[in-house]
Amino acid sequence: KQEVTQIPAALSVPEGENLVLNCSFTDSAIYNLQWFRQDPGKGLTSLLLIQSSQREQTSGRLNASLDKSSGRSTLYIAASQPGDSATYLCAVIRGNTPLVFGKGTRLSVIA
Amino acid sequence: DTEVTQTPKHLVMGMTNKKSLKCEQHMGHRAMYWYKQKAKKPPELMFVYSYEKLSINESVPSRFSPECPNSSLLNLHLHALQPEDSALYLCASSRGGLAVLGNEQFFGPGTRLTVL
Repeated sequence: KQEVTQIPAALSVPEGENLVLNCSFTDSAIYNLQWFRQDPGKGLTSLLLIQSSQREQTSGRLNASLDKSSGRSTLYIAASQPGDSATYLCAVIRGNTPLVFGKGTRLSVIA
Repeated sequence: DTEVTQTPKHLVMGMTNKKSLKCEQHMGHRAMYWYKQKAKKPPELMFVYSYEKLSINESVPSRFSPECPNSSLLNLHLHALQPEDSALYLCASSRGGLAVLGNEQFFGPGTRLTVL
């Protein structure tokens, strides 16, 4: 059974700092890995999707990497801003199975 | 346009009420999903419709009844709910079915449901 773990559970950083969020998964036979952002009480916003054949994806200040063999993904946020404060979730999917989510990392960026 | 819309935004209902949640997308996506999310937890999958057919039901109680009238619309009918069913209900869609490489899921803003 696929398990997804996100470390740390919570993170507080000063504005302007570069940071890395970690996601690990137990079954490397995945199709996709998707990173989401969720603001309190809101829906999920898709940030980046990495297909199993890809190593990384970039969008603006965000860069996500995928190492299938070690079962790990990282989300790098450059020059963090208070508006980046949210919960970040990673999720993986394999075949005809639903997305499996990690429990998320709650990020606070302090001005 | 990568938008999934959900109505209503908030819903308060008694345990004897019948209500429905609505989800709509116009991206031509052929898979639609219902998730339930409790506070400080990740979303839990409830149902998946693929090409307007129910393909996954994650052992959800029968007081929740999904319906997919067409490829753009997904409903969740609620009846005789319990207070523990209070949660954020999220709808999502994706271009193809589950087993599609690069199948990005897009989520709606959710309906905050409170059962009294």
